[in-house]
Amino acid sequence: AQSVTQPDARVTVSEGASLQLRCKYSYSGTPYLFWYVQYPRQGLQLLLKYYSGDPVVQGVNGFEAEFSKSNSSFHLRKASVHWSDSAVYFCVLSANTNKVVFGTGTRLQVLP
Amino acid sequence: NSKVIQTPRYLVKGQGQKAKMRCIPEKGHPVVFWYQQNKNNEFKFLINFQNQEVLQQIDMTEKRFSAECPSNSPCSLEIQSSEAGDSALYLCASTQGAGNTLYFGEGSRLIVV
Repeated sequence: AQSVTQPDARVTVSEGASLQLRCKYSYSGTPYLFWYVQYPRQGLQLLLKYYSGDPVVQGVNGFEAEFSKSNSSFHLRKASVHWSDSAVYFCVLSANTNKVVFGTGTRLQVLP
Repeated sequence: NSKVIQTPRYLVKGQGQKAKMRCIPEKGHPVVFWYQQNKNNEFKFLINFQNQEVLQQIDMTEKRFSAECPSNSPCSLEIQSSEAGDSALYLCASTQGAGNTLYFGEGSRLIVV
């Protein structure tokens, strides 16, 4: 069975600091992995995705993520956060069967 | 930016009332999903379609929930008799197919009073 774990429900960082949001997955096949962001009262917006190839993928607004098959992880990073990055971030796994599994989200608060 | 259009953005219904939400998927996307997101940010899969055909749906959907994706018309999700526990954000998403990016609408927030 597929699963996604985001171990940190809340993360608080100061503006300008670096950020890492953790994501661990469980899937026996080749995973399609995504990070989405949800701002208040909005839907989910795609930040980046990983299918194959270079394990470090670049996304929008300076975000990147690194896929590790050995660690079953897909952590999201940003070198310098801005107050507008405050939102809820979801790690999502898509199997090749139209099944989609969501993490429980990490609420990021960026302090000015 | 996603072009999945969901209406209405907000619904307020009394218990027992019908609640209907609509979704126009992104052009060229044959697969449509409906999810229920609760206040704890948990996503519950409700149903998905490929073109007009149901691919998968959960048991809950079969009882009070109904959904369709007719050709040349918006997809819709309807709750026949709303209950307090149905209060949530209902998200529609479309994709080109398995393993491809899901594009989400802004959601329809249902409040059952």
